[in-house]
Amino acid sequence: GAVVSQHPSRVICKSGTSVKIECRSLDFQATTMFWYRQFPKKSLMLMATSNEGSKATYEQGVEKDKFLINHASLTLSTLTVTSAHPEDSSFYICSARGGGSMNTEAFFGQGTRLTVV
Amino acid sequence: DAKTTQPPSMDCAEGRAANLPCNHSTISGNEYVYWYRQIHSQGPQYIIHGLKNNETNEMASLIITEDRKSSTLILPHATLRDTAVYYCIVRAGPGGSARQLTFGSGTQLTVLP
Repeated sequence: GAVVSQHPSRVICKSGTSVKIECRSLDFQATTMFWYRQFPKKSLMLMATSNEGSKATYEQGVEKDKFLINHASLTLSTLTVTSAHPEDSSFYICSARGGGSMNTEAFFGQGTRLTVV
Repeated sequence: DAKTTQPPSMDCAEGRAANLPCNHSTISGNEYVYWYRQIHSQGPQYIIHGLKNNETNEMASLIITEDRKSSTLILPHATLRDTAVYYCIVRAGPGGSARQLTFGSGTQLTVLP
């Protein structure tokens, strides 16, 4: 299947700092990317949907000013957690869907484990 | 998207077939059944999807009942590496709008040696 690469896989940051997570589609053009977060022993919860070149659509309860999403190209989307707090510690996962023949199943990145201390 | 119901956990002996059930009684005519799995601390991995016919690929088989209200994912020869949470998701199929996947609680499959 197609490859989606997420970086970093693990990050520890201090409270109040910002962290950027990258999500790249390596062998296809991702017209749409999704960002999820997952707390321990819980299922994935969708945070936002981004389409290349337009503003992201956030799910209810997700602060758009805190979780900045940029989808500037067809192969890269970034999620920036601004002014991170310990409660933002979670597993963040991106997924991507392409257009045309790639507009089938979604492919997921490896996930990023964020720990805010 | 239609809601799905899965057992929270299942065990399977290594080398035996693992049969994971999923109920989706409110599925509509244009919705597909998708299966993903998530190994601990990794992103979800696509397994298979289908509309109404049974499907098979190198990973698994998907059996969908004639009324489409339930399905079963079959891993023919489970290995220890198949231990994961398996998610059954119903959604509008390939093409069309770029809709997100909505994850339920899934089934924790534990393959025992």
